[in-house]
Amino acid sequence: AQRVTQPEKLLSVFKGAPVELKCNYSYSGSPELFWYVQYSRQRLQLLLRHISRESIKGFTADLNKGETSFHLKKPFAQEEDSAMYYCALSGGQAGTALIFGKGTTLSVSS
Amino acid sequence: GAGVSQSPSNKVTEKGKDVELRCDPISGHTALYWYRQSLGQGLEFLIYFQGNSAPDKSGLPSDRFSAERTGGSVSTLTIQRTQQEDSAVYLCASSLSWGTTGELFFGEGSRLTVL
Repeated sequence: AQRVTQPEKLLSVFKGAPVELKCNYSYSGSPELFWYVQYSRQRLQLLLRHISRESIKGFTADLNKGETSFHLKKPFAQEEDSAMYYCALSGGQAGTALIFGKGTTLSVSS
Repeated sequence: GAGVSQSPSNKVTEKGKDVELRCDPISGHTALYWYRQSLGQGLEFLIYFQGNSAPDKSGLPSDRFSAERTGGSVSTLTIQRTQQEDSAVYLCASSLSWGTTGELFFGEGSRLTVL
């Protein structure tokens, strides 16, 4: 069965500190992994996807198939990074539903 | 409109009443999804439409929940005989069916409160 686990409900860091939001998944095939973000009073939106291997707003995430992980990292957190972050998994077929983790709230303070 | 539109944005109802939540997806998006967002539970998948058919209804919590989509566009999520545990934000999302896996465009949600 597909499952996404985000072990931390809340992660609090100081501005300028490194950030790592953890995500582990369970899937028997070759999944596609994503990070979605929801800023205060805004819609849930895509942050990045593993197949793009891109850096968005300074965030990167590497898919580690051996550890079945897709952790989200940023070397220097900013206050505007404070938001709810969801890791999500897709079986890879076009149009299929994403399965989301329970989310991690990131709080960055000065 | 430019994005996914949901109505009502807020709904307060009494236990036992039926409610209907509406979603208007982005024009041209053939896939439509309903999720439920609640504290401590994160984002729970409810149902997914491809066109007017629902190949995956696995997430519907009970037979009190149903959804339909007509004309390949607007979708309605109906909750019958609402219970207090149904209180949550119901999110709708849409995506292109082909060539774009995983990028869902979400609406602002319908916040349901069952008293």
